[in-house]
Amino acid sequence: NAGVTQTPKFRILKIGQSMTLQCTQDMNHNYMYWYRQDPGMGLKLIYYSVGAGITDKGEVPNGYNVSRSTTEDFPLRLELAAPSQTSVYFCASSYSRPGGNEQFFGPGTRLTVL
Amino acid sequence: TQLLEQSPQFLSIQEGENLTVYCNSSSVFSSLQWYRQEPGEGPVLLVTVVTGGEVKKLKRLTFQFGDARKDSSLHITAAQPGDTGLYLCAGVGDSNYQLIWGAGTKLIIKP
Repeated sequence: NAGVTQTPKFRILKIGQSMTLQCTQDMNHNYMYWYRQDPGMGLKLIYYSVGAGITDKGEVPNGYNVSRSTTEDFPLRLELAAPSQTSVYFCASSYSRPGGNEQFFGPGTRLTVL
Repeated sequence: TQLLEQSPQFLSIQEGENLTVYCNSSSVFSSLQWYRQEPGEGPVLLVTVVTGGEVKKLKRLTFQFGDARKDSSLHITAAQPGDTGLYLCAGVGDSNYQLIWGAGTKLIIKP
C-alpha cells in the first residue's frame, strides 16, 4: 500500500504564480485534509473533505482552493502565491471523523514563495 | 477558541534519561492523540486516549489523559536516540471534524 502520496516534494514559486499540490490516497478513506506547518506553530487546517463532492473550510483557507471529484484525490490549488504561503503542506486522510480515528499523512510538500 | 499548549518546546537530553512532555488546555476534549514526526516526514500516530484518567503504555512510552480531559502527558523512560523527533498532541475540537493541534515538543536524545 502506498498510503497517502503527495507531489511535488519541493517547489519554488514567484509571487503571483499559481500551482496545484497533488494528493492521492489508496486506503478508500472518506475524510481528507490539507494542513500547513510553519516552524513552531503546529499544524493548521486549510480545508477538509468528508467525501467526494463535499469540501469545507478549515482554520486558514484564504488564498487556497480545493476540489474532491473522487474518493482518492484531493488537490490543493494556490492562486496568486504570496510569501506568507511559504510553508510545508501536508495532506492527510482518515477512515472517519477525527475522534478516535487515526489520520494518515503524506510526506509533505515544501513550498517557498519568493 | 480551543487551544492546546505543549511544553517544553524543545528538550535535549542524554540517552538513558527519563523525560515528560505536557499538553495542556483550558478546554475539554473528547479524545486526544499523540503523534511523532521525524524530519522530512508526516506525523505518525502513537496513541489515542479517550477516557479521563486513562493511562496507555507503548513500550517505554507512557501516555496519560487528565481526569478532566483538559490535559495529557507523555513520559519516556530510558530515552534512546531513536526517540528523537517532534511530538505533537492533537485534540478533537467542538466541530468533531477537525483536530486542534499543539505546536509540538522537539526532542533530541544524544547518544
